[in-house]
Amino acid sequence: DSGVTQTPKHLITATGQRVTLRCSPRSGDLSVYWYQQSLDQGLQFLIQYYNGEERAKGNILERFSAQQFPDLHSELNLSSLELGDSALYFCASSGLGQNTEAFFGQGTRLTVV
Amino acid sequence: AQKVTQAQTEISVVEKEDVTLDCVYETRDTTYYLFWYKQPPSGELVFLIRRNSFDEQNEISGRYSWNFQKSTSSFNFTITASQVVDSAVYFCALSEANGGFKTIFGAGTRLFVKA
Repeated sequence: DSGVTQTPKHLITATGQRVTLRCSPRSGDLSVYWYQQSLDQGLQFLIQYYNGEERAKGNILERFSAQQFPDLHSELNLSSLELGDSALYFCASSGLGQNTEAFFGQGTRLTVV
Repeated sequence: AQKVTQAQTEISVVEKEDVTLDCVYETRDTTYYLFWYKQPPSGELVFLIRRNSFDEQNEISGRYSWNFQKSTSSFNFTITASQVVDSAVYFCALSEANGGFKTIFGAGTRLFVKA
């Protein structure tokens, strides 16, 4: 158990819909990262938050947004969903500085039909 | 910009064979971290090792060993006496200090170990 909790584990939704994925980082970790793993794109970094502020941005679509709340949990919002958004979405957390190992959650498998 | 290349898409070996998974990275940062993760068929990402850029010492952990060579920007992973349970996708990853420590992954190498 990595200590990172992602909910839900599975999500099936229709095209055009909006979903929210939730991540609770390990206790004490201030950084949260979101990754998308699809068959054709591999593991792609989407976005990073550190203590509530956006820290780094990767290949995140404009239809996607994220935020980190004061209690450090994070949500990834995906809107106007397309079939190609079907993927495994991972959240990871880490401290900064010496300990840079990212601990990954179990992922949320999103299926868009 | 940071980049990780895992040239081997798939590798198939017979149980008890040794296998090496290659990883080549690119970075302009002097402070960075390299990782290997395992993703078994169940889908979760399992951390295997982290190595920082100032520590080129090779590491052995049971049947696993890692060879870090800054001169060739490589961080290769060897499994000795492979077992069926080693079948998984293995990802090499890079995290730069100047990049806010976001982790960039290679495309992964799918390892099949046949009994």
